[in-house]
Amino acid sequence: QKEVEQDPGPLSVPEGAIVSLNCTYSNSAFQYFMWYRQYSRKGPELLMYTYSSGNKEDGRFTAQVDKSSKYISLFIRDSQPSDSATYLCAMKGSGNQFYFGTGTSLTVIP
Amino acid sequence: DGGITQSPKYLFRKEGQNVTLSCEQNLNHDAMYWYRQDPGQGLRLIYYSQIVNDFQKGDIAEGYSVSREKKESFPLTVTSAQKNPTAFYLCASSTLFRLAGLGNEQFFGPGTRLTVL
Repeated sequence: QKEVEQDPGPLSVPEGAIVSLNCTYSNSAFQYFMWYRQYSRKGPELLMYTYSSGNKEDGRFTAQVDKSSKYISLFIRDSQPSDSATYLCAMKGSGNQFYFGTGTSLTVIP
Repeated sequence: DGGITQSPKYLFRKEGQNVTLSCEQNLNHDAMYWYRQDPGQGLRLIYYSQIVNDFQKGDIAEGYSVSREKKESFPLTVTSAQKNPTAFYLCASSTLFRLAGLGNEQFFGPGTRLTVL
């Protein structure tokens, strides 16, 4: 079993839709959670970083962590064509290694 | 302007040739990482380093080598022993683990695409 599971998609939504991206994990020691956006042939860009259960909001993006269910989500409101990218979840515990999902490919159709 | 730089952006390797990918950071991070990204496989860890002159193998270290002579630099050499090196290579850095919560995120460079001719 992989430590981090992420549905690869692809996910296609109309412009303006609310997008929900999710990851599950098996290691209860994970405490720090990240979401990255990666455009084609570019390096991943850090979008959200959280280290506790609950919600964190930044503009159109909301990161949600449920440690009891080992489940994290990223919500994108009012999605735009520029949001079309691959979204990676990542997490770590008290060590210095990071564990990644395989990424979800998102297309926002104008 | 702090960040991570990687060079070159594109690299072509002939059979039997060693090539070196550069990674430099000015974020004052202690930890640096190299990942390989292939379509549909996510990120796979090649090597990481937590301190100068020390590094650890990741999940797919065979055919690769690294050095960490300076805190800011972590070059990756793809040797001729790596039989399938065509991939997108990403360098990343982070602080060492902090109990307080803030500052445990990882940042990435723009990547190097390596192609075997």
